[in-house]
Amino acid sequence: DAKTTQPDSMESTEGETVHLPCSHATISGNEYIYWYRQVPLQGPEYVTHGLQQNTTNSMAFLAIASDRKSSTLILPHVSLRDAAVYHCILRPNSGGSNAKLTFGKGTKLSVKS
Amino acid sequence: DPKIIQKPKYLVAVTGSEKILICEQYLGHNAMYWYRQSAKKPLEFMFSYSYQKLMDNQTASSRFQPQSSKKNHLDLQITALKPDDSATYFCASSQPGQGAGNTLYFGEGSRLIVV
Repeated sequence: DAKTTQPDSMESTEGETVHLPCSHATISGNEYIYWYRQVPLQGPEYVTHGLQQNTTNSMAFLAIASDRKSSTLILPHVSLRDAAVYHCILRPNSGGSNAKLTFGKGTKLSVKS
Repeated sequence: DPKIIQKPKYLVAVTGSEKILICEQYLGHNAMYWYRQSAKKPLEFMFSYSYQKLMDNQTASSRFQPQSSKKNHLDLQITALKPDDSATYFCASSQPGQGAGNTLYFGEGSRLIVV
Protein backbone atom coordinates (compact mmCIF):
# COMPACT_ATOMS: atom_id res chain seq x y z
CA ASP A 1 0.00 0.00 0.00
CA ALA A 2 1.71 3.16 -1.21
CA LYS A 3 0.55 6.02 1.02
CA THR A 4 2.38 8.62 -1.05
CA THR A 5 2.63 9.05 -4.80
CA GLN A 6 5.61 10.74 -6.44
CA PRO A 7 6.77 10.98 -10.04
CA ASP A 8 9.48 8.49 -10.86
CA SER A 9 11.88 11.11 -12.16
CA MET A 10 12.38 14.80 -12.84
CA GLU A 11 15.03 16.77 -14.68
CA SER A 12 16.39 20.20 -13.92
CA THR A 13 19.26 22.53 -14.75
CA GLU A 14 21.67 24.10 -12.29
CA GLY A 15 20.35 27.34 -10.85
CA GLU A 16 16.71 26.49 -11.40
CA THR A 17 14.10 26.21 -8.68
CA VAL A 18 12.70 22.70 -8.59
CA HIS A 19 9.25 21.69 -7.39
CA LEU A 20 8.97 18.05 -6.32
CA PRO A 21 5.33 17.00 -5.86
CA CYS A 22 3.95 14.39 -3.50
CA SER A 23 0.36 13.20 -3.28
CA HIS A 24 -0.96 11.73 -0.03
CA ALA A 25 -4.71 11.70 -0.40
CA THR A 26 -5.35 9.37 2.55
CA ILE A 27 -3.12 11.16 5.07
CA SER A 28 -4.31 10.95 8.68
CA GLY A 29 -4.56 13.93 10.98
CA ASN A 30 -1.67 12.73 13.12
CA GLU A 31 0.74 12.03 10.27
CA TYR A 32 3.75 14.20 9.58
CA ILE A 33 5.13 14.64 6.08
CA TYR A 34 8.85 13.90 5.98
CA TRP A 35 11.27 14.34 3.12
CA TYR A 36 14.57 12.53 2.80
CA ARG A 37 16.99 12.31 -0.07
CA GLN A 38 19.52 9.65 -0.97
CA VAL A 39 22.45 9.57 -3.34
CA PRO A 40 24.04 6.29 -4.45
CA LEU A 41 26.26 4.57 -1.91
CA GLN A 42 25.15 6.87 0.92
CA GLY A 43 22.51 6.75 3.61
CA PRO A 44 19.32 8.81 3.40
CA GLU A 45 19.70 12.44 4.38
CA TYR A 46 16.96 14.29 6.24
CA VAL A 47 15.66 17.28 4.29
CA THR A 48 12.64 18.63 6.11
CA HIS A 49 9.27 17.79 7.60
CA GLY A 50 5.96 19.41 8.36
CA LEU A 51 2.50 18.78 9.70
CA GLN A 52 0.18 21.51 8.49
CA GLN A 53 2.06 24.76 8.03
CA ASN A 54 4.62 25.40 5.32
CA THR A 55 8.17 25.05 6.60
CA THR A 56 11.53 26.29 5.48
CA ASN A 57 15.13 25.53 6.33
CA SER A 58 18.52 25.91 4.73
CA MET A 59 17.87 23.04 2.35
CA ALA A 60 14.33 23.46 1.13
CA PHE A 61 10.86 24.94 1.42
CA LEU A 62 7.97 22.56 2.08
CA ALA A 63 4.60 23.72 0.86
CA ILE A 64 1.66 21.75 2.29
CA ALA A 65 -1.78 22.03 0.72
CA SER A 66 -4.50 23.36 2.99
CA ASP A 67 -6.32 19.99 2.88
CA ARG A 68 -2.96 18.22 3.48
CA LYS A 69 -3.61 15.81 0.62
CA SER A 70 -0.52 16.93 -1.24
CA SER A 71 2.76 18.68 -0.64
CA THR A 72 5.59 20.11 -2.70
CA LEU A 73 9.25 20.20 -1.82
CA ILE A 74 10.79 23.30 -3.34
CA LEU A 75 14.53 23.36 -3.90
CA PRO A 76 15.79 26.84 -4.75
CA HIS A 77 18.75 27.26 -7.10
CA VAL A 78 19.63 23.60 -7.41
CA SER A 79 23.22 22.52 -7.89
CA LEU A 80 24.73 19.24 -9.06
CA ARG A 81 24.93 18.18 -5.41
CA ASP A 82 21.13 18.19 -5.23
CA ALA A 83 20.87 15.29 -7.67
CA ALA A 84 19.41 12.46 -5.61
CA VAL A 85 16.34 10.33 -5.04
CA TYR A 86 13.85 12.33 -2.98
CA HIS A 87 11.47 10.43 -0.72
CA CYS A 88 8.20 11.78 0.61
CA ILE A 89 7.16 9.75 3.67
CA LEU A 90 4.23 9.89 6.07
CA ARG A 91 5.09 9.27 9.68
CA PRO A 92 2.50 8.98 12.46
CA ASN A 93 2.85 11.05 15.59
CA SER A 94 0.84 8.78 17.84
CA GLY A 95 3.21 8.13 20.67
CA GLY A 96 5.17 5.00 21.48
CA SER A 97 8.71 4.34 20.49
CA ASN A 98 8.26 2.99 17.01
CA ALA A 99 9.55 5.59 14.60
CA LYS A 100 9.54 3.39 11.54
CA LEU A 101 9.89 5.20 8.22
CA THR A 102 8.51 3.40 5.17
CA PHE A 103 10.45 4.30 2.04
CA GLY A 104 9.09 3.98 -1.47
CA LYS A 105 10.83 4.48 -4.79
CA GLY A 106 10.87 8.28 -4.53
CA THR A 107 11.59 10.78 -7.30
CA LYS A 108 14.96 10.65 -8.98
CA LEU A 109 16.04 14.23 -9.57
CA SER A 110 18.65 14.77 -12.27
CA VAL A 111 20.49 18.08 -12.48
CA LYS A 112 22.26 19.22 -15.65
CA SER A 113 25.06 21.74 -15.70
CA ASP B 1 32.77 14.24 11.10
CA PRO B 2 30.17 11.50 10.77
CA LYS B 3 28.00 11.19 13.84
CA ILE B 4 26.86 7.66 13.04
CA ILE B 5 29.75 5.31 12.38
CA GLN B 6 29.19 2.01 10.64
CA LYS B 7 31.87 -0.63 10.23
CA PRO B 8 32.92 -2.16 7.98
CA LYS B 9 31.94 -0.08 4.96
CA TYR B 10 32.37 -3.04 2.65
CA LEU B 11 32.34 -6.73 3.42
CA VAL B 12 32.51 -9.91 1.35
CA ALA B 13 31.40 -13.06 3.13
CA VAL B 14 31.10 -16.72 2.24
CA THR B 15 27.71 -18.45 2.23
CA GLY B 16 27.06 -20.06 5.59
CA SER B 17 29.40 -17.82 7.55
CA GLU B 18 28.53 -15.31 10.25
CA LYS B 19 29.28 -11.60 10.33
CA ILE B 20 28.67 -8.67 12.65
CA LEU B 21 27.94 -5.17 11.42
CA ILE B 22 28.91 -2.44 13.85
CA CYS B 23 27.01 0.79 14.50
CA GLU B 24 27.89 3.57 16.93
CA GLN B 25 26.15 6.92 17.17
CA TYR B 26 27.42 10.09 18.80
CA LEU B 27 24.24 12.13 18.58
CA GLY B 28 23.12 11.43 22.13
CA HIS B 29 20.09 9.53 20.86
CA ASN B 30 18.30 6.79 22.75
CA ALA B 31 16.65 5.03 19.82
CA MET B 32 18.50 3.13 17.11
CA TYR B 33 17.41 1.25 14.02
CA TRP B 34 18.56 -1.03 11.25
CA TYR B 35 17.40 -0.79 7.66
CA ARG B 36 18.36 -2.86 4.63
CA GLN B 37 18.56 -1.87 0.99
CA SER B 38 18.92 -4.57 -1.63
CA ALA B 39 19.94 -3.74 -5.18
CA LYS B 40 17.47 -1.34 -6.79
CA LYS B 41 14.91 -1.72 -4.02
CA PRO B 42 13.61 0.80 -1.48
CA LEU B 43 15.00 0.87 2.04
CA GLU B 44 13.36 -1.74 4.19
CA PHE B 45 12.91 -1.37 7.95
CA MET B 46 14.37 -4.22 10.03
CA PHE B 47 14.55 -3.36 13.75
CA SER B 48 14.06 -0.53 16.19
CA TYR B 49 15.52 -0.25 19.69
CA SER B 50 14.72 2.25 22.39
CA TYR B 51 16.88 2.54 25.52
CA GLN B 52 18.59 -0.70 24.47
CA LYS B 53 15.33 -2.64 24.30
CA LEU B 54 13.81 -4.12 21.16
CA MET B 55 10.69 -2.19 20.16
CA ASP B 56 9.88 -3.49 16.69
CA ASN B 57 11.13 -6.38 14.58
CA GLN B 58 10.07 -6.63 10.95
CA THR B 59 12.66 -9.20 10.00
CA ALA B 60 11.21 -12.67 9.49
CA SER B 61 14.45 -14.52 9.94
CA SER B 62 16.03 -15.22 13.31
CA ARG B 63 19.40 -15.22 11.55
CA PHE B 64 19.41 -11.46 12.06
CA GLN B 65 20.08 -10.52 15.70
CA PRO B 66 20.66 -6.96 16.90
CA GLN B 67 22.99 -6.55 19.86
CA SER B 68 23.12 -3.46 22.05
CA SER B 69 26.09 -3.52 24.44
CA LYS B 70 25.93 0.22 25.14
CA LYS B 71 23.19 2.76 24.65
CA ASN B 72 24.96 4.31 21.65
CA HIS B 73 25.73 0.96 20.02
CA LEU B 74 23.48 -1.30 17.99
CA ASP B 75 25.34 -4.04 16.17
CA LEU B 76 23.74 -6.50 13.79
CA GLN B 77 24.80 -10.13 13.86
CA ILE B 78 23.92 -12.17 10.78
CA THR B 79 24.38 -15.94 10.92
CA ALA B 80 24.26 -18.62 8.22
CA LEU B 81 24.69 -16.02 5.52
CA LYS B 82 22.94 -16.49 2.18
CA PRO B 83 23.52 -14.76 -1.16
CA ASP B 84 20.08 -13.11 -0.75
CA ASP B 85 21.44 -11.31 2.31
CA SER B 86 23.63 -9.25 -0.02
CA ALA B 87 22.57 -5.64 0.55
CA THR B 88 23.60 -2.38 2.10
CA TYR B 89 22.65 -2.24 5.76
CA PHE B 90 21.96 1.20 7.22
CA CYS B 91 21.95 2.09 10.86
CA ALA B 92 19.92 5.09 12.05
CA SER B 93 19.20 6.85 15.32
CA SER B 94 16.77 9.33 16.82
CA GLN B 95 15.28 10.31 20.10
CA PRO B 96 12.57 7.84 21.12
CA GLY B 97 8.94 8.49 20.28
CA GLN B 98 7.36 9.88 17.16
CA GLY B 99 7.20 13.56 17.92
CA ALA B 100 8.27 16.19 15.46
CA GLY B 101 11.69 16.41 17.01
CA ASN B 102 12.46 12.76 16.60
CA THR B 103 13.98 12.84 13.15
CA LEU B 104 15.91 9.76 12.06
CA TYR B 105 19.52 10.25 11.03
CA PHE B 106 21.25 7.57 8.99
CA GLY B 107 24.78 6.26 8.78
CA GLU B 108 26.57 5.69 5.49
CA GLY B 109 25.88 1.99 5.44
CA SER B 110 27.73 -1.31 5.42
CA ARG B 111 27.70 -2.99 2.03
CA LEU B 112 27.60 -6.77 2.36
CA ILE B 113 28.18 -9.17 -0.51
CA VAL B 114 27.65 -12.86 0.13
CA VAL B 115 29.29 -15.25 -2.33
